[in-house]
Amino acid sequence: DGGITQSPKYLFRKEGQNVTLSCEQNLNHDAMYWYRQDPGQGLRLIYYSQIVNDFQKGDIAEGYSVSREKKESFPLTVTSAQKNPTAFYLCASSPRDISYEQYFGPGTRLTVT
Amino acid sequence: EDQVTQSPEALRLQEGESSSLNCSYTVSGLRGLFWYRQDPGKGPEFLFTLYSAGEEKEKERLKATLTKKESFLHITAPKPEDSATYLCAVQATGGFKTIFGAGTRLFVKA
Repeated sequence: DGGITQSPKYLFRKEGQNVTLSCEQNLNHDAMYWYRQDPGQGLRLIYYSQIVNDFQKGDIAEGYSVSREKKESFPLTVTSAQKNPTAFYLCASSPRDISYEQYFGPGTRLTVT
Repeated sequence: EDQVTQSPEALRLQEGESSSLNCSYTVSGLRGLFWYRQDPGKGPEFLFTLYSAGEEKEKERLKATLTKKESFLHITAPKPEDSATYLCAVQATGGFKTIFGAGTRLFVKA
């Protein structure tokens, strides 16, 4: 089955530690995205990538980093510089970088204490 | 500034009680409007894409419509399994971002 996988589903970290969230897709989509979802707010774009080895900052990129070494993979690192990292993180992909609906993974809930 | 506003924030219906969810948007030019369904603790699931005013799309008990300033998601004779958060999103021409609304939480009671 084609789809997007995110791991782990739940992640707990101590303040000051970096953590990497995994996102893999086998849909052969060119574009991939990372969003953050907080209660009562719309999804906010962290980073997006249109092609391998290229990515751009979204609206809230500070304190986050990404890489796109393979078409199927787009991992997100939450660094200690992110002031409020506890949130639900969603990865998505689409067949084109614009003009097409996005398909989402199941999400990773990160809790930092 | 491009913006998406959904109303109401929450909607409680009895099973079989039809209603509509609203999505108002402000963009310089609309490339596409999207509806997603999101169950608690899960990722959004794509429902519809609408591109131009007057367009309508249907899927089971759901029907999405589009005007120049807003979109409606009509739910006909809802069932408890329709309970979820429904997200609206837009893409503007000339840009790369998809802008999401905060969603409408729908509760359908048997």
